[in-house]
Formats: sequence, C-alpha cells, structure tokens
Amino acid sequence: GQQVMQIPQYQHVQEGEDFTTYCNSSTTLSNIQWYKQRPGGHPVFLIQLVKSGEVKKQKRLTFQFGEAKKNSSLHITATQTTDVGTYFCAGLSSGAGSYQLTFGKGTKLSVIP
Amino acid sequence: EAQVTQNPRYLITVTGKKLTVTCSQNMNHEYMSWYRQDPGLGLRQIYYSMNVEVTDKGDVPEGYKVSRKEKRNFPLILESPSPNQTSLYFCASRNVQRVGEQYFGPGTRLTVT
Repeated sequence: GQQVMQIPQYQHVQEGEDFTTYCNSSTTLSNIQWYKQRPGGHPVFLIQLVKSGEVKKQKRLTFQFGEAKKNSSLHITATQTTDVGTYFCAGLSSGAGSYQLTFGKGTKLSVIP
Repeated sequence: EAQVTQNPRYLITVTGKKLTVTCSQNMNHEYMSWYRQDPGLGLRQIYYSMNVEVTDKGDVPEGYKVSRKEKRNFPLILESPSPNQTSLYFCASRNVQRVGEQYFGPGTRLTVT
C-alpha cells in the first residue's frame, strides 16, 4: 500500500531558528495536506497543496509540493514557542473509487526559548 | 460550530471488558475514520467508512469493530480489550465530494490494564 515517509522524527531548535520537515510518498499523490497537533491536542488542518510544484505561504510557514507530486516540505522561518507541536503530512491518493489519506509519522518540534 | 465529538475522553478499563467509544459529527460528512496514535508510530488508521452501512478495514483493524448505521455516528467497539490496545484514539470526518480538510475529534485516551 501507499507509504508516506516523514523526516526528521524530532527537531529541537532555538527560538528564532528555521525549521523544515520533509515528506516523501511511495506513489504519486492527488494532493498533500499538512496538519499540526499541539501537545495534548488533536491534529488540525493547516493547508492543502494540489498542483505540481505548488508553493503556499501562511505567515512564517512555507509549504511546497514537488514537481512529481511525490514529495513535500514545510518550512518555518524564525520559529516561535507557539510553533511547538507535531507536524504531520498526509498524502491523498485515489484508487478503487475512493480517496485514501495516508499520514506520515510526524515531526515533533521543540522550540527552546 | 462544525465539530467532531468523542466520548468518553478518558477511559481506564480491564482486559476483556467490552467497551464502545462514540463519535459524532455535525457536518454531514460522508467519510468517517478511526485512528490510533502511539509514540513513534504516528497516526494509524483502524477502520473507515465511506457512507452509511459502508465500512472497511484500515491498517490496524485487529481487535476492533465499527458500525455506521447513521451518517453522523461512527462508534468504535472493542469486544475484548487487551493491554496492547492502550492508546490515544481519534475519530475524524471529511467530505468525500470535496477532497480536502479532515476534521479530528478531541481524542479518547484509553488504558487497558
């Protein structure tokens, strides 16, 4: 079945440093989604990328979707303590008449003040 | 307010005692799903449902049952819980027609002793 690999598993950064997490799918995706889970919370949708090579920005967050629609990245510029949490990518693929969303294992971000 | 609710939020039980975790959504979503989250393993899908009376196994269905008699509800049943089912469980829903955001419930932390 489809697999989505996400690295790194953990990242510790000093406040103000940048942070990047990467996702790689074993198959071509229809789209890729990113979620954030704060400590003790549930995953919350951040964004969806659909087009090959797409780049979207949300304030200090930049999301990219690869040209082959098999990889993606999330980059945070100048991290803040409010960025703490686990970031998940989720690849959406179609097959057998349905769409399946496969999550990466997540990158847990710690920000040292 | 659009939301997915789960009950109970916390549950401690003993091996073999049947339990049900309820899940309800108010967004008229066709698709509903159950995940378990364990440290280092990310979100693993247990079961999903594309619509009423349509359910299918996810990646880790052993030891679990589900039903989808109504569109808004998708209970997770553990007929004979075992300690390896101690985990954090999330219910989620999304609209199948509009491929996009998945909404997660607040989570149920289950401990089986």
